[in-house]
Order: sequence, then C-alpha cells, then structure tokens
Amino acid sequence: GQNIDQPTEMTATEGAIVQINCTYQTSGFNGLFWYQQHAGEAPTFLSYNVLDGLEEKGRFSSFLSRSKGYSYLLLKELQMKDSASYLCAVRGRALDTGRRALTFGSGTRLQVQP
Amino acid sequence: EAQVTQNPRYLITVTGKKLTVTCSQNMNHEYMSWYRQDPGLGLRQIYYSMNVEVTDKGDVPEGYKVSRKEKRNFPLILESPSPNQTSLYFCASSLNDGVYEQYFGPGTRLTVT
Repeated sequence: GQNIDQPTEMTATEGAIVQINCTYQTSGFNGLFWYQQHAGEAPTFLSYNVLDGLEEKGRFSSFLSRSKGYSYLLLKELQMKDSASYLCAVRGRALDTGRRALTFGSGTRLQVQP
Repeated sequence: EAQVTQNPRYLITVTGKKLTVTCSQNMNHEYMSWYRQDPGLGLRQIYYSMNVEVTDKGDVPEGYKVSRKEKRNFPLILESPSPNQTSLYFCASSLNDGVYEQYFGPGTRLTVT
C-alpha cells in the first residue's frame, strides 16, 4: 500500500498551539486529507491539500510539501473539545499494486489538558 | 439532513452465521466505501464502489462481499464471519472518487465469537 506515518499520541494544554505531523510515501500523489475522530464516533473532514503550502480554516491550518512527502495539521487556541484522534489520509497509488487508493494513517490521539 | 446511515450499530454473532450490514446515503453520491478500524491499524479499506454495479477490492477484502444495485445503498456481506472480523466498521460516501471529502456513517461495532 502507501506508507503513512504519524505520532501515536500527543498532549497539549488548553489555549496552546499544537502541530501534528504526517509523512507519507506514495506514487501518483493526488491529495492529502485530515480528519478528526472523537472516541466512539465517525471521522469528520477537516482539510484537504493538493498543492504545496498552507490552507487555513479558522483555528485549524494544514500544510503540505509534496517534495518532502510531509504535511502537518496546526491547531491554535486549543479547546478541551479538540481532544480527539486526527487522521492523515493520502490519495495516490499503492507502492506495491499501483492501485489508486485513499490510505489512512493510524491516527494521532491528542489529549488537551486544562 | 444529509447523512450516511448504517445498521445495525452493534452486533454480536457467532462464527459462520451469515450477516449483512446495511449502508445508505441520501446525498446522491457516486462513490461509496467500506472500512474497518482496528486499534493501532487505522482505517483500512475493504471494498469501494465508483457507481452503480461498479465495485472493487480495497486493501483487506478477504471474507467480505459487497453489492451496489442502487446508488444510495452499499451493503457489506460477511458470508461466514470469523473472530478476526471482530472490528468497528464504517461506511463512507463522497461525490466521486476525486478531491471531495468522504462522509462517514456512525459505525457498526461487530463482535464474532
């Protein structure tokens, strides 16, 4: 498949800024998504990057560097409700089969503390 | 309200007893997909469908079947469930298989004993 790497867990303080990194290996890159998933719930869409640079959406921003196979999700002014898992997903071609696929990373569980 | 629905939400069954998990979307989306989510492994795609009567295998299709007879429905069939299929299952849909985000159903927690 495609290889996607994200940290397993992160902890941050309410009101602070946190950056969640995602590195990937794929061929035929065609976009990177970030999803948020609260415990026991379905993932919900946060952002989409297909060109290099920063996409800002309120308190959340996402950055992409295609040449480095790297993205990050930046969360500002953290709130307790931001405690959730954050999933990086890459659209491209699987390295082994060449099949077009949207592959999810294992997710980063973020805990926001008071 | 635009949504993806799945039924049942929770199911405990025994090895070998055929079951179907239904998935329906009301957004006229062309693309639908099934995932399973296991601790430490993230979301893995089981099957997907680009449109009516067009389905293809994802990363982990063994032991599963799907059908897409109507645009809105995409049932997941386990002909002979085994304990290693115990997992959390999500159905998702998107406008097409392109740049559009996927909308996920609420999930089905399946336990096979």
